[in-house]
Amino acid sequence: NAGVTQTPKFRILKIGQSMTLQCTQDMNHNYMYWYRQDPGMGLKLIYYSVGAGITDKGEVPNGYNVSRSTTEDFPLRLELAAPSQTSVYFCASSKSPPGGSLSTNTQYFGPGTRLTVL
Amino acid sequence: GQQLNQSPQSMFIQEGEDVSMNCTSSSIFNTWLWYKQDPGEGPVLLIALYKAGELTSNGRLTAQFGITRKDSFLNISASIPSDVGIYFCAGPGYGNKLVFGAGTILRVKS
Repeated sequence: NAGVTQTPKFRILKIGQSMTLQCTQDMNHNYMYWYRQDPGMGLKLIYYSVGAGITDKGEVPNGYNVSRSTTEDFPLRLELAAPSQTSVYFCASSKSPPGGSLSTNTQYFGPGTRLTVL
Repeated sequence: GQQLNQSPQSMFIQEGEDVSMNCTSSSIFNTWLWYKQDPGEGPVLLIALYKAGELTSNGRLTAQFGITRKDSFLNISASIPSDVGIYFCAGPGYGNKLVFGAGTILRVKS
């Protein structure tokens, strides 16, 4: 049981290049999330998904796209990389949504992808 | 939007000392979560609080859900070097979203 896995671990992009950050979970979780972490800013939600075929915008979606064709995978796509997208990206998953007194709403995080755009 | 304010921003303490940090919000939360992020890793849930006034422990860690439901506290007793990391508070926001504080960076001198 690997939990949440992310690839790549590190990447350097040039301005205008595109790339896909991969995220896979093997816990059969319905809910999956993409966050970015900037120094001193905590975690900001980019996009999330409540199940295969359903995605929605988070707090900072501009410049990103997502898809969810299977329960396991939730890739994040950057079409035209910009220096402002330099950050550490975390994928997370949970069985149920945040809120309520259920332990099933615990979000499990992957190890992160460190992206630099030059 | 909903925001969580964490303090202090960072701490540099001596091994063996106790640590206190807190998280406040302008709006009410019905759940408070405390996560720890080790260097180079993703955050891991430490403690979850579901009821106002609740006090919950996890080893040397103790967290409390403030009675006003607008704050929470995390204490670490007898700190050790592996306590180093960033501690985040979080709570459920509007919709299916989790709101995170900016984090408290903890460094421990051995």
